[in-house]
Amino acid sequence: DQQVKQNSPSLSVQEGRISILNCDYTNSMFDYFLWYKKYPAEGPTFLISISSIKDKNEDGRFTVFLNKSAKHLSLHIVPSQPGDSAVYFCAASERKGSQGNLIFGKGTKLSVKP
Amino acid sequence: DTGVSQDPRHKITKRGQNVTFRCDPISEHNRLYWYRQTLGQGPEFLTYFQNEAQLEKSRLLSDRFSAERPKGSFSTLEIQRTEQGDSAMYLCASSAGVSTEAFFGQGTRLTVV
Repeated sequence: DQQVKQNSPSLSVQEGRISILNCDYTNSMFDYFLWYKKYPAEGPTFLISISSIKDKNEDGRFTVFLNKSAKHLSLHIVPSQPGDSAVYFCAASERKGSQGNLIFGKGTKLSVKP
Repeated sequence: DTGVSQDPRHKITKRGQNVTFRCDPISEHNRLYWYRQTLGQGPEFLTYFQNEAQLEKSRLLSDRFSAERPKGSFSTLEIQRTEQGDSAMYLCASSAGVSTEAFFGQGTRLTVV
C-alpha cells in the first residue's frame, strides 16, 4: 500500500510558466515533507522541505504548500526553466518517535519546453 | 567535494556472485541510510544507521543483504548470492539528524546478468 502517491507520471510546461507538481499521502503521522529532484544516472538532490506545523515554505523559485486536512502537498516552480526538466520525488517522514527514514512517491517527470 | 560519495558507480556481476558497495557520508552526519531504486519507482528504504548502530531494517532487506557501519563513518552494503531481481540503483544518504533533510550520493547501479 503506497503511503505517498504522485498520481501524475509526467508533466509538460512551457518555459516561463508555472509548474505545479502534486503529492498525496495517507499516513497522518507524517510530519515532515520533502521534494527531491533527480536527473538520470544521479542520486536525488534535495530541493525544499516543509514541517507539518507550516502550510507554506518558499525558497527562490520553489514553493511548497501543505494542506494537512486533505493530506496533500504541492510544489510550485515559478518561472519554470528548461534546466528544471527532471524527475521530481515527493517524500515524507515521521520524525517524532521514529527513525526519520523517508517514504518516497514514484515521481513525476517534468519537461520544460523552451 | 564534501558530499555523499558512493563506490563503485556501476557494477555488473554474474548471478550467484557476492557484491559489496561502499558509502562515505558527509563527515558530520550521524545518520546514514541505504535505499534501492528500480525503474519507474521512487527510492525504497532498506536500512539506516545512527552512528555505528543499525537501528532499522526494511522487510525488503532479505537475509542475503547485510550492511555495516564500523566506527560510525563509512558504510558497506553486501549482497550475497546475487539474483537478477537485485538489479537496481543502490542509493546512500546521510543526514545530521532525524529533523533534517537527507543528502544522497550518486548511487551504485547494479546489473546482475
